[in-house]
Amino acid sequence: DGGITQSPKYLFRKEGQNVTLSCEQNLNHDAMYWYRQDPGQGLRLIYYSQIVNDFQKGDIAEGYSVSREKKESFPLTVTSAQKNPTAFYLCASRTSGETQYFGPGTRLLVL
Amino acid sequence: QQQVKQSPQSLIVQKGGISIINCAYENTAFDYFPWYQQFPGKGPALLIAIRPDVSEKKEGRFTISFNKSAKQFSLHIMDSQPGDSATYFCAASITNRDDKIIFGKGTRLHILP
Repeated sequence: DGGITQSPKYLFRKEGQNVTLSCEQNLNHDAMYWYRQDPGQGLRLIYYSQIVNDFQKGDIAEGYSVSREKKESFPLTVTSAQKNPTAFYLCASRTSGETQYFGPGTRLLVL
Repeated sequence: QQQVKQSPQSLIVQKGGISIINCAYENTAFDYFPWYQQFPGKGPALLIAIRPDVSEKKEGRFTISFNKSAKQFSLHIMDSQPGDSATYFCAASITNRDDKIIFGKGTRLHILP
């Protein structure tokens, strides 16, 4: 069963806490992406990675960090420096020239 | 030059009517134009896509019209149904580059029953 999985579906963060969102794909895609979506808003790119052990900042990278140690995995950490983290986070992947596929999303809420 | 401008921001259509969403771009290097459909609480899903070598692509009730000279493309939903109520995003990218896909800001479509 191929696709992109994100976990958890819901995540709660306390003030000053770092939290990590998981994204795994078994599509053998080279590139992976993280987007943030606020209610009623569009998709804003946080980070993307075109190859293992390399990644680039997107439009709103401040307060976030990523790693790409394996081709199939691209976890996103929301650090305590991100003062307004409540949002819907979407992971995506694609191979050059192909369609970009999205995961089901993780909703992050602040306690 | 990397922007994709999408309009309208929101759209209300009667059941059975035609829904039309428009997008415009500046970068002539873009050569792949997908449309995504997103339901509340779900990730966007590819609906239909077009390359600039054709002016129109149809899949069921969904049609993309592409005007290369005007650098515009649009999504037409024929016989719109309440189940089509969702947010639609147009996008553009360059083939053979594992780079960013540029998304429009989205259109919230509501089909009245």
